[in-house]
Amino acid sequence: AQSVTQLGSHVSVSEGALVLLRCNYSSSVPPYLFWYVQYPNQGLQLLLKYTTGATLVKGINGFEAEFKKSETSFHLTKPSAHMSDAAEYFCAVSLGGRRALTFGSGTRLQVQP
Amino acid sequence: GAGVSQSPSNKVTEKGKDVELRCDPISGHTALYWYRQSLGQGLEFLIYFQGNSAPDKSGLPSDRFSAERTGGSVSTLTIQRTQQEDSAVYLCASSLDLGTGDQYFGPGTRLLVL
Repeated sequence: AQSVTQLGSHVSVSEGALVLLRCNYSSSVPPYLFWYVQYPNQGLQLLLKYTTGATLVKGINGFEAEFKKSETSFHLTKPSAHMSDAAEYFCAVSLGGRRALTFGSGTRLQVQP
Repeated sequence: GAGVSQSPSNKVTEKGKDVELRCDPISGHTALYWYRQSLGQGLEFLIYFQGNSAPDKSGLPSDRFSAERTGGSVSTLTIQRTQQEDSAVYLCASSLDLGTGDQYFGPGTRLLVL
């Protein structure tokens, strides 16, 4: 079984500030980890993923995440927030590449001018 | 290229009626997933089709929910005797099923049961 916990349902940052969205997971096997972004009234868009190999993964729009097995974490960061980053972000885990995703509850990111 | 499309984009129905939701996956994608997004339950997996294999129905919440995939392409999710708690956004995703895990999502169908 697997589960995902996203700490903080709402995060607010100033434009240009660091973005840090937290995700912790539990999994009975080495997990595949994902971050998706959802803009209002749209579907989910894949930001980045970790499957195997390098633990620091880079995604689209300047986001990156680091897989830390010892901490069972996969936090999402971006050095400098932009107004266009305002959206809802979902962390997800799967038990392999051909399995359904288990999602966290989501974090809504607000970017203040 | 064209992404995953879903229809209708919005559906309002009365309690007890049946509804059908359609998903057109990306051409060539052999795997197709249905998820439900609701305020109370977040994003939940419903059902997964992979090629010609038997679908994984482990996420379907009740026997009122069913889905089929015809010709390995288009999929229809059917909800019979709808209840108010079925109100949600139903999301479809497809993937090449290469084992990389990438799933591409459609815009969803927003279902409101009155």
